[in-house]
Amino acid sequence: GQQVMQIPQYQHVQEGEDFTTYCNSSTTLSNIQWYKQRPGGHPVFLIQLVKSGEVKKQKRLTFQFGEAKKNSSLHITATQTTDVGTYFCAGSPSGGYNKLIFGAGTRLAVHP
Amino acid sequence: GAVVSQHPSWVICKSGTSVKIECRSLDFQATTMFWYRQFPKQSLMLMATSNEGSKATYEQGVEKDKFLINHASLTLSTLTVTSAHPEDSSFYICSARDVGRGYNEQFFGPGTRLTVL
Repeated sequence: GQQVMQIPQYQHVQEGEDFTTYCNSSTTLSNIQWYKQRPGGHPVFLIQLVKSGEVKKQKRLTFQFGEAKKNSSLHITATQTTDVGTYFCAGSPSGGYNKLIFGAGTRLAVHP
Repeated sequence: GAVVSQHPSWVICKSGTSVKIECRSLDFQATTMFWYRQFPKQSLMLMATSNEGSKATYEQGVEKDKFLINHASLTLSTLTVTSAHPEDSSFYICSARDVGRGYNEQFFGPGTRLTVL
């Protein structure tokens, strides 16, 4: 079946360092979304990317969608302790806008 | 806006009993809701897509007779775990799409932690 792979599984950084997580789908996606889940919390929507090659920025966060619409990345510049949590990518299969297939998530730990 | 609630937030039950979990969209209408389960430190696994007024669409490997889903109104979907066993212990999360926004974003409920003894 359709799979969305995400790496790394876990990342330790010092506060102020950059962080990147990568997603790769086995098939073309109609769109990809990113969510953040704080420890003990539920996923919270960050952004949706729809167009091939799309790049969006939210303050220190930069999201990219690959040209083939099969991969995506989230880059955080100068991490802060408030960035701690698990970041999930979630892709919608091509041809459908309905369900989301979640990646395994990347757990980010930021040390002050 | 776009708040989703779940009830109960946690439940402990004996093996063999059934447990019902409610998912409500509080300030929007949701023709489609989704049910996920999440094991500790793992990803969200989509169990089924719940469509208002019609049968749910289950993902491969999810037993429809075990996990009964009802989406009777535009603001409420329920998941019933029938004859629960310890292996059903998990964190169950629902989400809903606000079709009025014309966006594919899913709004997640706070989750329900089920422990089966």
